[in-house]
Amino acid sequence: GAGVSQSPSNKVTEKGKDVELRCDPISGHTALYWYRQRLGQGLEFLIYFQGNSAPDKSGLPSDRFSAERTGESVSTLTIQRTQQEDSAVYLCASSLQGRFVETQYFGPGTRLLVL
Amino acid sequence: QKEVEQDPGPLSVPEGAIVSLNCTYSNSAFQYFMWYRQYSRKGPELLMYTYSSGNKEDGRFTAQVDKSSKYISLFIRDSQPSDSATYLCAMSANRDDKIIFGKGTRLHILP
Repeated sequence: GAGVSQSPSNKVTEKGKDVELRCDPISGHTALYWYRQRLGQGLEFLIYFQGNSAPDKSGLPSDRFSAERTGESVSTLTIQRTQQEDSAVYLCASSLQGRFVETQYFGPGTRLLVL
Repeated sequence: QKEVEQDPGPLSVPEGAIVSLNCTYSNSAFQYFMWYRQYSRKGPELLMYTYSSGNKEDGRFTAQVDKSSKYISLFIRDSQPSDSATYLCAMSANRDDKIIFGKGTRLHILP
């Protein structure tokens, strides 16, 4: 079946602009995660959605970052007033039941470059 | 000291060699240990998952955990060019805790 998809694949923006990144999880997966991967760094947790529970936003680095999820489907990660340090690969993952150590299926990522 | 330390490499080995990839960690509460493989311009995929100490084998891959030394390893036997990727270790204290990832080791298998 289809895996996790993300769009756009690449995004180049100017400092100060807002960007919106999209994630389509695997159908039936109740949990959805966003991570950031800076060049030469490990994955950094951003936010976690599990069913109808309140999202775990503890990893969001600043109030410029926000995310929404519609039911158990699409999620969007929004970065307002982008800064150069926001340049990274933004990865989305989904899992069946939503425990962190359960197998997470990752999308290919969105490569964001802020000029 | 970072919670999880992993040598970024790159590590280059000839085809057929045994590869050893390692991570050290500082949090003695970690109980769940994972290895992810990430091909260039792709998302990570889970390779191996172990709980607590001991070894786990899956085909050419063996994961080893030594909690007393806070050291985990991934061994790849009969390495193939298709094994060329970045390998990320990851760990967590509880099933519902966030996973802490290492920076990843870039591996090149030379034909």
